[in-house]
Amino acid sequence: EDQVTQSPEALRLQEGESSSLNCSYTVSGLRGLFWYRQDPGKGPEFLFTLYSAGEEKEKERLKATLTKKESFLHITAPKPEDSATYLCAVQASGNTGKLIFGQGTTLQVKP
Amino acid sequence: DSGVTQTPKHLITATGQRVTLRCSPRSGDLSVYWYQQSLDQGLQFLIQYYNGEERAKGNILERFSAQQFPDLHSELNLSSLELGDSALYFCASSVDDTGPGYTFGSGTRLTVV
Repeated sequence: EDQVTQSPEALRLQEGESSSLNCSYTVSGLRGLFWYRQDPGKGPEFLFTLYSAGEEKEKERLKATLTKKESFLHITAPKPEDSATYLCAVQASGNTGKLIFGQGTTLQVKP
Repeated sequence: DSGVTQTPKHLITATGQRVTLRCSPRSGDLSVYWYQQSLDQGLQFLIQYYNGEERAKGNILERFSAQQFPDLHSELNLSSLELGDSALYFCASSVDDTGPGYTFGSGTRLTVV
């Protein structure tokens, strides 16, 4: 069964304190791995898509990496406005756009 | 504004009732997806439509149904509502039938009392 597990569930950082979020996955043929950011009461906002092991993508203070079994979202020198829930999702091989989401990591960055 | 419009934003209804949630996809997008987000289950895929036809189905309850109309807007119908159906319901859209990185709407918060 296709599955996504994110850790930790919650993370508290001081402003400027870098860290990483983990996403472990099992899927029958990976078509793509996605990272989204979700603010309270809002819809998920697309951040990155990764397609193959070794791929990396960056956006401002965020960098996503992918291996054959997991993905990491590295947050460098975070700011309070980075506080949100970060969701990881996988798309299996096939002809649908269905995504399987993890439970998310809720990040709080204190000034 | 993501370009995906969901109405209503909030809905409070009683057990046993039926409700309809509406979604207008981003201009040019042909696929519409419905997801349910509850505190204990996270984001769960319900169903996908592509250009009016059902493309994929998740663990959608038999009490739930959806359709996509010729103008590409979609409706999710929830009937015989139970307390456990209280959740955020999100619609997302993408250009084609395989995504990727699709755009989500701001959701409809359904509360069943």
